[in-house]
Amino acid sequence: EAQVTQNPRYLITVTGKKLTVTCSQNMNHEYMSWYRQDPGLGLRQIYYSMNVEVTDKGDVPEGYKVSRKEKRNFPLILESPSPNQTSLYFCASWQGGSSYEQYFGPGTRLTVT
Amino acid sequence: AQSVTQLGSHVSVSEGALVLLRCNYSSSVPPYLFWYVQYPNQGLQLLLKYTSAATLVKGINGFEAEFKKSETSFHLTKPSAHMSDAAEYFCAVSGVEYGNKLVFGAGTILRVKS
Repeated sequence: EAQVTQNPRYLITVTGKKLTVTCSQNMNHEYMSWYRQDPGLGLRQIYYSMNVEVTDKGDVPEGYKVSRKEKRNFPLILESPSPNQTSLYFCASWQGGSSYEQYFGPGTRLTVT
Repeated sequence: AQSVTQLGSHVSVSEGALVLLRCNYSSSVPPYLFWYVQYPNQGLQLLLKYTSAATLVKGINGFEAEFKKSETSFHLTKPSAHMSDAAEYFCAVSGVEYGNKLVFGAGTILRVKS
């Protein structure tokens, strides 16, 4: 089954404790992206990747890091989480070119206390 | 900056009534347009998409949307609301003018009253 998976689905942590949210896709898509969803703001792009070792900032990259060492994986790293990073996070992938339809993971709900 | 506007953060309809969720975009060229639905505590599911073919697009669960270039709109409709339609709906756009991003509207929460 074609899908995007994220882990963990739920995470509660404390300020300053480094964490990683994993994302994996099995559709051989070139592009991957991370979004955060906040009430009244919709989804905003954090980072995206066009291919292995190629990443770029989205609209709200501050406080986040990403890496793309393999085509299928695109982990999101919070080096020093803060309470304003409490949010619902989605990973997405898409083929690119003339195909703009993105496929989303199930989401990761992060709470930073 | 290119943007997407969804009019009405909350819409309430009675079961069986017409559903109309509004979406307007800003772009000088027709973009690719999408509607996604998010049921409570779930991820995003694609309802339908416009990719420069027919201007009236039919999606899943009886929803459809019409691309109107002159109005820069892509409103979502369903003739008869069902209780199971209660969810949050997001309009999104992409294309050359949006770079490699899918730009989302703020979302509209649909409530269906019995």
